[in-house]
Amino acid sequence: GAVVSQHPSWVICKSGTSVKIECRSLDFQATTMFWYRQFPKQSLMLMATSNEGSKATYEQGVEKDKFLINHASLTLSTLTVTSAHPEDSSFYICSARSGFSYEQYFGPGTRLTVT
Amino acid sequence: QKEVEQDPGPLSVPEGAIVSLNCTYSNSAFQYFMWYRQYSRKGPELLMYTYSSGNKEDGRFTAQVDKSSKYISLFIRDSQPSDSATYLCAMSQGWAAGNKLTFGGGTRVLVKP
Repeated sequence: GAVVSQHPSWVICKSGTSVKIECRSLDFQATTMFWYRQFPKQSLMLMATSNEGSKATYEQGVEKDKFLINHASLTLSTLTVTSAHPEDSSFYICSARSGFSYEQYFGPGTRLTVT
Repeated sequence: QKEVEQDPGPLSVPEGAIVSLNCTYSNSAFQYFMWYRQYSRKGPELLMYTYSSGNKEDGRFTAQVDKSSKYISLFIRDSQPSDSATYLCAMSQGWAAGNKLTFGGGTRVLVKP
């Protein structure tokens, strides 16, 4: 089956610094990637959708200048949390979709802790 | 009111019992309905996918969709301790809305040996 990886799996950073999270599709070309945020015991909230080579589309209420998304190739998308604050601590999950497939394949997630 | 409502549980059942999960939704534009399983600190894994109303069976899993009532269900037969996880329903309007998924809050299930 299709495999999506994320790196790192867990990161701790100090308030005010920036953190980059990578999402890779290992065995298929991901024309579209999605980024979600999940707080403890809550569901996944879509942050943004990115298509390869295009600017990301952000959901209402998500700060595009704070959460920078780059989808430069068909196998890699990155999410950079700029000037992170403790309230940005969360579980960030990416998913990827190929072509006209309905199915999104999810990565294992990245746990971000901002101290 | 959330677009998709799901009882958070926890739902505790003995091994071998049937697990019954459900979600209600308010947006009649949803056409695609999915159930995901998520283990602690892992990404979601797709279990079942259904388009429009009807039933679908796959092994021990049965998904039902009743669009007239805006109600979907997932049944797990012969439950095993390895089925202990959080189950998320998700819905999509399809390509017209970018195929974005809207998730329910998840139901935590515990299957006791």
